[in-house]
Parts: sequence; structure tokens; C-alpha cells
Amino acid sequence: EPEVTQTPSHQVTQMGQEVILRCVPISNHLYFYWYRQILGQKVEFLVSFYNNEISEKSEIFDDQFSVERPDGSNFTLKIRSTKLEDSAMYFCASSRTSDQETQYFGPGTRLLVL
Amino acid sequence: SQQGEEDPQALSIQEGENATMNCSYKTSINNLQWYRQNSGRGLVHLILIRSNEREKHSGRLRVTLDTSKKSSSLLITASRAADTASYFCATDAVGYSTLTFGKGTMLLVSP
Repeated sequence: EPEVTQTPSHQVTQMGQEVILRCVPISNHLYFYWYRQILGQKVEFLVSFYNNEISEKSEIFDDQFSVERPDGSNFTLKIRSTKLEDSAMYFCASSRTSDQETQYFGPGTRLLVL
Repeated sequence: SQQGEEDPQALSIQEGENATMNCSYKTSINNLQWYRQNSGRGLVHLILIRSNEREKHSGRLRVTLDTSKKSSSLLITASRAADTASYFCATDAVGYSTLTFGKGTMLLVSP
């Protein structure tokens, strides 16, 4: 069964450093998402991406964040200058269409900012 | 903004018993989805129910949706120790594809 994959599974970084989180969505899916979950809190939407453009973004997704689909398979989330409060589990998700469709989540990348 | 909220926050049962979790939300939705998360792991999709559906089954799972009350329930029948996990409902509002998650119900099934 196809699945969303994410790398790395864990990342530790120093405050102020840039990190890139990588995702490979399911191959025939057209809509891609990033969510995050701070330890003990709700899963929160960050950004959605379709047709090489951001389609929606939350207040969390400020100028420090960017997304890219550099090739036909990868979907990346970049945090330009990490802060302590960026420590969280970051989930990538994809869906075939935009609505009335299941979003399939990857296993997550646990980011720890020291 | 809409918000999915589950109750109870935590539920402890014995193997073989049924577990019922509830979710409430605030705005009109396209769909409601239930996900499961084992401790510190990824989100596993369980079931999607559309706004025009009232009940859906998948194996030992039964989901109901009452759009007039803006609520849903997830029933796991004949629970197993392996069902121990956190369960989240997630809704997408009409006109949007993004999911809004609740805080989740932590289910503990003891052997």
C-alpha cells in the first residue's frame, strides 16, 4: 500500500540554524500539507500546497517557513532560523484531491531545537 | 474558527469491552475523519465520514455523524490491547481542505 514517507525521523539542531524537512507524498496525489504537533498539544495545520503554489497557510507559517516541491517526488519544509518553540513533530500529508478526500500522513519528523 | 474537541480526554477499559469516543465541532464541514496515533508516532487514518452520511463501519470501527448537533462518535468494539493509542477527530470546513484536529482521547486497553 502506498504511503507518505518523511526524512529524517529525528533532527536536533541549534537555535538559529536552518533545517529542511523532507517528504515524499503518495505518487498520484496532488495536494500536499504540513502540520506540526508540539509535545502534548493538538496537531496544527501549517500550510497546503497545490500546483506548485501555496494554497492555504496558517498564522504559524510566517516568513521563517517555506515550502518547495523541488522535483516530481519530494516536498520540503524549510525553517530558516529555528527557534526553541519550533521544537515539535512535523507531519507531512497528501491527498488525491482537495476536499472530501482522506489526507494520508507520514510518520513525522521530530525536531528538537536546542 | 472551528474546533474539534473529543471527550473523554482519557478512557481506560478492559480487553473485550467497547470504547466510545465523542467529538464536537463548531462550523459546517465537508468531512470528519478519525485518526489514531500511537505514542510519539505518526497519524494513521481510520475512517472518513462525509457530511451527508450518518453512519459508517470499518471492521471493528463504527462512526456516526450528527451534523445537526455538530458531533461524531467513534465506537471500537471488542477492544484489544493493541488498540491502546490516542484517537483524534479532524474536520475540514466547507471551502477549505485543511484539517482542524481535536485534542484527542487517550485510550488504554488493559489485557
